Amino acid sequence: GAVVSQHPSWVICKSGTSVKIECRSLDFQATTMFWYRQFPKQSLMLMATSNEGSKATYEQGVEKDKFLINHASLTLSTLTVTSAHPEDSSFYICSARGDRDEAFFGQGTRLTVV
Amino acid sequence: SQKIEQNSEALNIQEGKTATLTCNYTNYSPAYLQWYRQDPGRGPVFLLLIRENEKEKRKERLKVTFDTTLKQSLFHITASQPADSATYLCALEGTGGFKTIFGAGTRLFVKA
Repeated sequence: GAVVSQHPSWVICKSGTSVKIECRSLDFQATTMFWYRQFPKQSLMLMATSNEGSKATYEQGVEKDKFLINHASLTLSTLTVTSAHPEDSSFYICSARGDRDEAFFGQGTRLTVV
Repeated sequence: SQKIEQNSEALNIQEGKTATLTCNYTNYSPAYLQWYRQDPGRGPVFLLLIRENEKEKRKERLKVTFDTTLKQSLFHITASQPADSATYLCALEGTGGFKTIFGAGTRLFVKA
C-alpha cells in the first residue's frame, strides 16, 4: 500500500506558541490531502480538505486562521496550529489520496499544549 | 442528518473464530465504503474498499460485504489471531456532495 509519513508523532508545546505538523506522501502524488482530529474513543473529525496549489476547504466550526493548512506540492501538506491552547490538545491525523479512491493515513501526531 | 454506526461495545472472540463487525448508515448515498484498522495512538491503516455496485470483496482472511438496500456493511476476519486485536473503522465516501464520514470504530479483542 501507499505510504504517508506524518511528523512529528508527538509534540508538547507551551500555550500561545505555534506548532507545525507535516504530512508527506512518499511513493505517490497526493492530489488531495485531508486533516482530521480525533478525540479518545471517538471517530475522526474532518477539519479540512486541501488540493495541491489551492486554498484548503475547512469544515464548519474549524477556524481557518487558527489551523493553517498549506498544500504546496503534490507530496507535502502542513498543518500549523497557531497560538495553541490546552483545548487544542488532541490527536491530529492526515490522509492523502492520489489517482485511486483509497485514502492512506499518516501515523498521527499527539499534540499536548501545556 | 447523515449517520454512520458501528457497535460501540467491544467484541471479544476466541482465537481461530471468525470475527464479524457491523457498519450501518442512514441518510447517505455512498459511492464506496472503506474499512480501516487503527491501533492505539496510531493512524488508521487501509484494509479494503468496496464499491456500491459490489456485493463482496475479499483479501486474504478479510471479507467485506456491502448491502445498499439494508444500508449495511459487514466486515469478517476469519481464523482470527491475537494480532488482529485493534479498533476497526468504517468510512463512507459519497457522491453528489456527500463528504467522507467515519464511524467511531469497534474494538476487537482476540483471545489466545
